[in-house]
Amino acid sequence: AQSVTQPDIHITVSEGASLELRCNYSYGATPYLFWYVQSPGQGLQLLLKYFSGDTLVQGIKGFEAEFKRSQSSFNLRKPSVHWSDAAEYFCAVGDLSGGYNKLIFGAGTRLAVHP
Amino acid sequence: NAGVTQTPKFQVLKTGQSMTLQCAQDMNHNSMYWYRQDPGMGLRLIYYSASEGTTDKGEVPNGYNVSRLNKREFSLRLESAAPSQTSVYFCASTGRHNKNTGELFFGEGSRLTVL
Repeated sequence: AQSVTQPDIHITVSEGASLELRCNYSYGATPYLFWYVQSPGQGLQLLLKYFSGDTLVQGIKGFEAEFKRSQSSFNLRKPSVHWSDAAEYFCAVGDLSGGYNKLIFGAGTRLAVHP
Repeated sequence: NAGVTQTPKFQVLKTGQSMTLQCAQDMNHNSMYWYRQDPGMGLRLIYYSASEGTTDKGEVPNGYNVSRLNKREFSLRLESAAPSQTSVYFCASTGRHNKNTGELFFGEGSRLTVL
């Protein structure tokens, strides 16, 4: 069965520091991978996605993620964090059989940013 | 520019009461989903509708029913609410899958408390 593991429940970084959020997945075929962000009291917004091709994908708000098949990982990175990046981040793997998208989400990583 | 609209945004129920969460999307999407979000567990799929006229169970369907009323609307019903159903509920939708989509569009959530 597909699953997603986000090992870090909470992460705190200083503004301007670099960030890496970890994500490991379990999926039988080539995975479709996503990172979503949820600001307090809001729904989820797509940051970036990986379907195929270049394993380093760029997203919105200066985020990027790298797909590593050998490690079953899809870690999210940002070189310099801004206070507005404080939010909860969810990694997801997509089951796209049947022509529609059914996402399996990780438990999330809550990011706090210190000034 | 409404996207996915959920009502109500907040609801308090007593154990045993029933209620329906409404969801509508104006993006002409085929597929719609209901997730629940609980602390430390991420988002778990309750039910989904791959296309108008079809519905299927997700990971945690017990205690819920759904209706895909038409292409725009997908409602979630709790027939006899239980405290374990206290959660934040998210509706989402997506268009027919291709490599340029796969993205879920989320509503802002409905916070339900069952006493």
